[in-house]
Formats: sequence, C-alpha cells, structure tokens
Amino acid sequence: QKEVEQDPGPLSVPEGAIVSLNCTYSNSAFQYFMWYRQYSRKGPELLMYTYSSGNKEDGRFTAQVDKSSKYISLFIRDSQPSDSATYLCAMIQGGSEKLVFGKGTKLTVNP
Amino acid sequence: DAMVIQNPRYQVTQFGKPVTLSCSQTLNHNVMYWYQQKSSQAPKLLFHYYDKDFNNEADTPDNFQSRRPNTSFCFLDIRSPGLGDAAMYLCATTSNSWGSGADTQYFGPGTRLTVL
Repeated sequence: QKEVEQDPGPLSVPEGAIVSLNCTYSNSAFQYFMWYRQYSRKGPELLMYTYSSGNKEDGRFTAQVDKSSKYISLFIRDSQPSDSATYLCAMIQGGSEKLVFGKGTKLTVNP
Repeated sequence: DAMVIQNPRYQVTQFGKPVTLSCSQTLNHNVMYWYQQKSSQAPKLLFHYYDKDFNNEADTPDNFQSRRPNTSFCFLDIRSPGLGDAAMYLCATTSNSWGSGADTQYFGPGTRLTVL
C-alpha cells in the first residue's frame, strides 16, 4: 500500500461547480497536510496548509483533515476555468524534512 | 519577487553528456530539495540538504549528484543522462520550522530536461 493515495482523475466539471478532491494515507504519524496546485509545465504552488485534524478555509478553498479516518479533502467552491490544474496533496511527519506527495488529480473547469 | 529561481527553465542535452541544473533562493532557508517529476506523476525526491548535510534517497541513482556551495545555491549534476532521465526537475526550500505555522516548502518553476 502506498503511503498516500490520490485518484489521478482526470476530473472535468462545469464552471461554478463545487469540486471535491481527496487523498487517503496510511502513516498515522503524518501531522501536517498540504495541497499544492500545479499548472502545466510549472512548479507546484502551495494552496492550503493544515496542522492535524480540522477545517481551514481560504476564500473559495476549504481543506479538511480527518486523522481518525486518515483522509484529507480539498473543496473548491464556485470553480473557475483558472482553477484548471493538477492538485497534489502532500503530508509530512513532525520533525521530518520530507514531504510525501500523492500522484495528483488533474482538474479541468469548463467555461 | 521570485523566491526560488531555477536555471535554465529548459535544458536539452545529448545522451551521456553531463548537465548541471541550478537553483537559488532568496529566502535564506536552510533546507533545499531536488525532485524529479515525470509526466502525470508525483514529484519524486532525489536528495536534500539540511544546511550542509547531504541526504540521499536510497533509490536515487548514482548518476545524480548535488552540490550546495552556500545557503543560497544548490546544483543538480546528472553525470551521464539517459533517455529515462528526461523529466521536470524541481527545486524546493523550507526553513523546516514545521509547527510554527509560518513555514512550508516553496518550489521553483522547474527545469524541463530533454535528452536526445
């Protein structure tokens, strides 16, 4: 079993839809959870950063972490064509220097 | 202002011809990483530096080497590139203050390597 599992998609939605992206993981020592957005041929950029369980909201983006289920989610409200990108989940143990990434989900938002 | 800079953005080399990719950062972060990312795959960590301490991943081929002459710069050397080494190479940095709420891993724009 991979440490982090993420459905690669692709996922295609109409503009304005609510998008739900998810990752599961097996290592209960992970404490910090991130979502990165990566546009084609660019480096990943950090979208959301969450410590331990709970929700975090930033504009149209909401990150959820459920450590009991080892499950994290990213919700995008009122999705826009500019949200079309690959979304990578990533996580790290406290005291570690190494992120563990999911494979990424490719999202297309159609106008 | 760019915080993690990678040069060149695109690199073409010939099979077996050594190539060096560079990364610089203006964040004064003490940890720097090199990742390899192939199409539709997650970034794969090759190695990282914690200050001057080099940490190689167990499955990184010997063909890949790295140098960090100072805090700001880090280089990836591919001694004899093969066709399978064609990929995007990403540099990232962090201050490794996980838990402070202020730190995370910042990526550069990447260098796309083509091997002919």
